[in-house]
Amino acid sequence: AQSVTQLGSHVSVSEGALVLLRCNYSSSVPPYLFWYVQYPNQGLQLLLKYTSAATLVKGINDFEAEFKKSETSFHLTKPSAHMSDAAEYFCAVGGYSSASKIIFGSGTRLSIRP
Amino acid sequence: DAGVTQSPTHLIKTRGQQVTLRCSPKSGHDTVSWYQQALGQGPQFIFQYYEEEERQRGNFPDRFSGHQFPNYSSELNVNALLLGDSALYLCASRSRQLAGVTGANEQFFGPGTRLTVL
Repeated sequence: AQSVTQLGSHVSVSEGALVLLRCNYSSSVPPYLFWYVQYPNQGLQLLLKYTSAATLVKGINDFEAEFKKSETSFHLTKPSAHMSDAAEYFCAVGGYSSASKIIFGSGTRLSIRP
Repeated sequence: DAGVTQSPTHLIKTRGQQVTLRCSPKSGHDTVSWYQQALGQGPQFIFQYYEEEERQRGNFPDRFSGHQFPNYSSELNVNALLLGDSALYLCASRSRQLAGVTGANEQFFGPGTRLTVL
């Protein structure tokens, strides 16, 4: 069985500050891990994915995440927040099989203060 | 290259009615999954279709059914609508063949259909 826990339903940072969104996963098989972003009234956009090639994964818009097996974590970071980063962020886990479903966390809403 | 498209964008129904939502996958994709996203929550997996058959199903009642057509497009049908069915319904597509080659198991999501049940 697979599951994802996102710590903090709402995170607020100042513009230019570090963004850190936390995600812990549980998986009985080596996982694929994803971060998606959802802007208001829109669908989900893939930010980055971990597929076992490298533990530090870089995504779009300067976001990155580090896979830490010992901590079962896949936290999302961005060095400097921009106002346009305000959105809902979802961590998700899936298996290696092409037929695997993707399990989502409950989401973290990121707010940016001017 | 068109991404995943869904129709309609918004829909309002009353309790007890039936609804059909439609999804066209990204070009080259053969697998379609449907998700329900209630307000303030993460998407919940409903079911997945490939080769015109339901292959996996999440914890949803039989009122939720689907279909996949030979061109890989898909429909989600919900019967006997309840107030609790109000949500954003997301369709996602992927390529099983590509996933087998590259190991990239990512899905591409459509913009969703916002269903309101009154």
